[in-house]
Amino acid sequence: QSALTQPASVSESPGQSITISCTGTSSDVGGHKCVSWYQLYPGKAPKLIIFDVSKRPSGVSNRFSGSKSGNTASLTISGLQAEDEADYYCCSYASSYIYVFGTGTKVTVL
Amino acid sequence: QVQLVQSGAEVKMPGASVQVSCKTSGYTFNTYYMHWVRQAPGQGPEWMGIIYPSGTTSYAPKFQGRVSMTRDTSTSTVYMDVRSLTSEDTAIYYCAREPPSSVEGQYSFDYWGQGSLVTVSS
Repeated sequence: QSALTQPASVSESPGQSITISCTGTSSDVGGHKCVSWYQLYPGKAPKLIIFDVSKRPSGVSNRFSGSKSGNTASLTISGLQAEDEADYYCCSYASSYIYVFGTGTKVTVL
Repeated sequence: QVQLVQSGAEVKMPGASVQVSCKTSGYTFNTYYMHWVRQAPGQGPEWMGIIYPSGTTSYAPKFQGRVSMTRDTSTSTVYMDVRSLTSEDTAIYYCAREPPSSVEGQYSFDYWGQGSLVTVSS
């Protein structure tokens, strides 16, 4: 099972919006409504920010939203803030009880 | 509150084995699934496997035969053993909880342990 493909980095100014893509195959992203997104700060455990493609856990800002089209899932961060500067990873359930993470995207707030 | 508390850092020689523990509290242990995820230096998370409440396990093909996951319901603790360690196993190892189908959020990892650093070096 290969890692899902994400852009290595995305940069944008505060207040703007960014979208991070996560491309897989019909065996993972495209075949299941089971995509989640995680925010990682250096030295900290990952934090769940999106599950089931587009749902937000309690306490997660509504500036984070998710969607999916075909084999590609997307995470959008609107109203970018300095605190959003982190690494973001997608994850999808694949077939046969296997899970796969994305390659990761470093978000820089200019 | 939900807590996943992992064992401390370990330094191992190549070829050795390591066991990492994840003691849970604040929820019904026998209901939720538990995963292990590792993150090597400068790399992203890598899914290693899952242990279900029944004790059934499923491992990523890369780790099949070298990793074992077990659980102790009497102490609400999950364990992961990794054998035949090499320098490429140097990483932070996390346990991560997955809700069951009866709760929203299945197929995602809603709570994580603090991570256990395993260093493999001669």
